[in-house]
Amino acid sequence: GAVVSQHPSWVICKSGTSVKIECRSLDFQATTMFWYRQFPKQSLMLMATSNEGSKATYEQGVEKDKFLINHASLTLSTLTVTSAHPEDSSFYICSAGTTGEDGYTFGSGTRLTVV
Amino acid sequence: SQKIEQNSEALNIQEGKTATLTCNYTNYSPAYLQWYRQDPGRGPVFLLLIRENEKEKRKERLKVTFDTTLKQSLFHITASQPADSATYLCALASGGSYIPTFGRGTSLIVHP
Repeated sequence: GAVVSQHPSWVICKSGTSVKIECRSLDFQATTMFWYRQFPKQSLMLMATSNEGSKATYEQGVEKDKFLINHASLTLSTLTVTSAHPEDSSFYICSAGTTGEDGYTFGSGTRLTVV
Repeated sequence: SQKIEQNSEALNIQEGKTATLTCNYTNYSPAYLQWYRQDPGRGPVFLLLIRENEKEKRKERLKVTFDTTLKQSLFHITASQPADSATYLCALASGGSYIPTFGRGTSLIVHP
């Protein structure tokens, strides 16, 4: 079945630095990928929809200059958290797929801790 | 505003029993509803999808019902096993975007 690989699985960074998270579709092409953020015991909140070859669509309240998304190929989307602050510490998850019976395939997530 | 409600309290059941989880929604007309399983520190894993014109769907030990009048979906795991212990998320998508919106999830704990 479809596999989405997300890297790194965890990262600790200093406040003010930037962190890049990669999301790859391993056995299928994904023209659209989604980026979510999840705080402890909360639901997944959609941050943005990443479209191959075009600009990402951000959800209301998500700063596009802070969360940079690049979808340069049909198998890779990246999320860069710029000038990270402790409040950006969260679990970031990407997903890809179709609207069909297979649902969406999620990456294993990235735990970001900003100190 | 749109709301998806799942019981925030953990459901504790004994091995072999049937677990039933509930997903209620308001101010929403979903084209379909999905159920996912999420283990701690991991991304969700898709389990089942049910469309608005379907009342019930089954897959092995899983059964999902969808009542658009009550605005409710029930998710059943029969003959539950300790390995079924996880958080189960429901997600709804409208016909416009098909991008799912997730509930907070309900934690299921199956005791041996």
